[in-house]
This record gives sequence, structure tokens and C-alpha cells, in this order.
Amino acid sequence: DAGITQSPRHKVTETGTPVTLRCHQTENHRYMYWYRQDPGHGLRLIHYSYGVKDTDKGEVSDGYSVSRSKTEDFLLTLESATSSQTSVYFCASRFGAGRNEQFFGPGTRLTVL
Amino acid sequence: KQEVTQIPAALSVPEGENLVLNCSFTDSAIYNLQWFRQDPGKGLTSLLLIQSSQREQTSGRLNASLDKSSGRSTLYIAASQPGDSATYLCAVSEQGDDKIIFGKGTRLHILP
Repeated sequence: DAGITQSPRHKVTETGTPVTLRCHQTENHRYMYWYRQDPGHGLRLIHYSYGVKDTDKGEVSDGYSVSRSKTEDFLLTLESATSSQTSVYFCASRFGAGRNEQFFGPGTRLTVL
Repeated sequence: KQEVTQIPAALSVPEGENLVLNCSFTDSAIYNLQWFRQDPGKGLTSLLLIQSSQREQTSGRLNASLDKSSGRSTLYIAASQPGDSATYLCAVSEQGDDKIIFGKGTRLHILP
């Protein structure tokens, strides 16, 4: 699999605090994605990026923001964490330009108390 | 709006049997379809990707087929092993869209 890492892998935080999750890939992939995975809902897209500084919203973007200042890094920020944002967050990436296989990171388990 | 469905949600099969997992999608204008495996507490691992122009892809004991006109894909696992126990997800991408749409997966349990 592609070299995709996520940090932190586990985090517990309190309601109302900001939280930033980091995704790092070493494959020079153009596209990067943030998903959340919850029982009964499957994988849902939060935000994605199609290049440095180019991002767009997914289906569950409210309460989240992203930034991509370098090809290899894609940050997801929960501006003011809520208990409904307790979830497992996955980052993914793909090269693009006809090479569309998507690769996933190991996930971050976030608990908001 | 594209929807991806995987039925059944869970499946138990005795070790050694061949099995088929199903994936259906509502809009046949897909660009490609990808099958993933997810072990408990882990991320998704890509198994096979089928381009819209292809009919099947094979990797070891796995064979994925694609029938765009009927909106279906199958993942065939030959000679199942306990290590195949996992959740299998399919996902489709559409032409001109950067996003991919996931099914909710089939949780497979291979009985020793």
C-alpha cells in the first residue's frame, strides 16, 4: 500500500475544543480525502483535495475544515469538537491522471467527551 | 445520485468453500470500481480495481467482475480461509467526479 500515515492514532478531547488531525503521504498523490466511519453509516466523505490549496466539501462537511499547503500533507480541523464527531477518521489518497486506485491510512480514533 | 449497495450485510461460510460477494450500483456511468478489505480496527486495504472498460480483474484467489449495463460487480473468493474473515467494501467513481461512493460492506466470517 501507499505510504499514508495519520496522526494522532488515538485522541480523547472535550466538547468545545479545537482538534487537528494530520494525514501525510509520501507517494506524490494529487488527491487526498478525509472520511469518517460510523456504525450504520459506513464511510462518509468529509472533505477532499484535488491539489495544493484546492479543496472541496463532501457530504458531511459541517463543523470541519481542511487545509493543504503541501502535496504530502492534508489537515482536518474540528473547529469546536462535539460529541457527534466521535468517530474513526480515515485519510485516503490517489495519484490521479488515470491512476485511480485509492489507498487508505490506518485511521484515527477520536473520542469527544 | 449514485448509490452503492452490498447485500448481504453479513455472511458466514465454512472454510474451503468458494464464495461470491455482491455489489450493485444505480448509475451505470461509472469510471471504475474498487474492492477493499477492512480488518477490525484497521484501515481499508485495496484488493482490486476494475476500469469501466474491463470485465474482470484477478489477484491470487480473488476475482472481481464488472457488468456495467446491469450495475453489478461480484468478488469471487476461491478456497476460502479463516484469514479471509473481514469486511469487504466496494466503491465506485464516476467520470468527471473526484469523489468515490462506498457501499456499507459485507462482513465475512469464514468458519474453521
